[in-house]
Amino acid sequence: DSGVTQTPKHLITATGQRVTLRCSPRSGDLSVYWYQQSLDQGLQFLIQYYNGEERAKGNILERFSAQQFPDLHSELNLSSLELGDSALYFCASSFGRGNSPLHFGNGTRLTVT
Amino acid sequence: QQQVKQSPQSLIVQKGGISIINCAYENTAFDYFPWYQQFPGKGPALLIAIRPDVSEKKEGRFTISFNKSAKQFSLHIMDSQPGDSATYFCASGGSNYKLTFGKGTLLTVNP
Repeated sequence: DSGVTQTPKHLITATGQRVTLRCSPRSGDLSVYWYQQSLDQGLQFLIQYYNGEERAKGNILERFSAQQFPDLHSELNLSSLELGDSALYFCASSFGRGNSPLHFGNGTRLTVT
Repeated sequence: QQQVKQSPQSLIVQKGGISIINCAYENTAFDYFPWYQQFPGKGPALLIAIRPDVSEKKEGRFTISFNKSAKQFSLHIMDSQPGDSATYFCASGGSNYKLTFGKGTLLTVNP
């Protein structure tokens, strides 16, 4: 068990809808990362927060947004969903800002129908 | 965008054999090269990592070989076991760089 908790495990929704994915990092970790995993694209980095502030941005669509709250949990908001957004979304956490080991949650599987 | 090229996409090995997965990176400023193991339904888990100041790191049956001049690194799994069957991801990054992952290698170890 990595100590990173993601909810929900599965999410099925329709095109055009909005969903929120939640992540609780490992105790003591200050950084939260969001990744999207699909069969053809592998693990794609979306965004990183460190202690409540956005630290790095990757291939995150404008329809997606995230935030990290004072208690360090994070939420990833996906709106105007398209079929192509169907994927596994992983949250990871680490202690520092840099490359301290990433600890991944078990992901949220999003299916857009 | 910096890429990490991983090969092969899939690998079948007999129990007791050696599994070898290769990765190539682009940015010479990268200084952190981890390997992650992912089982179905689970998130990736850190397996072993290396910094470029050494050419090899061994942890149990898992060894990373690192070739800085060629910008390549590889994972060797000695005495492969059916329980090693999983998807393996290499990654590269640095203090000021996010981790970039390879596309993964599906390893199957036949009993």
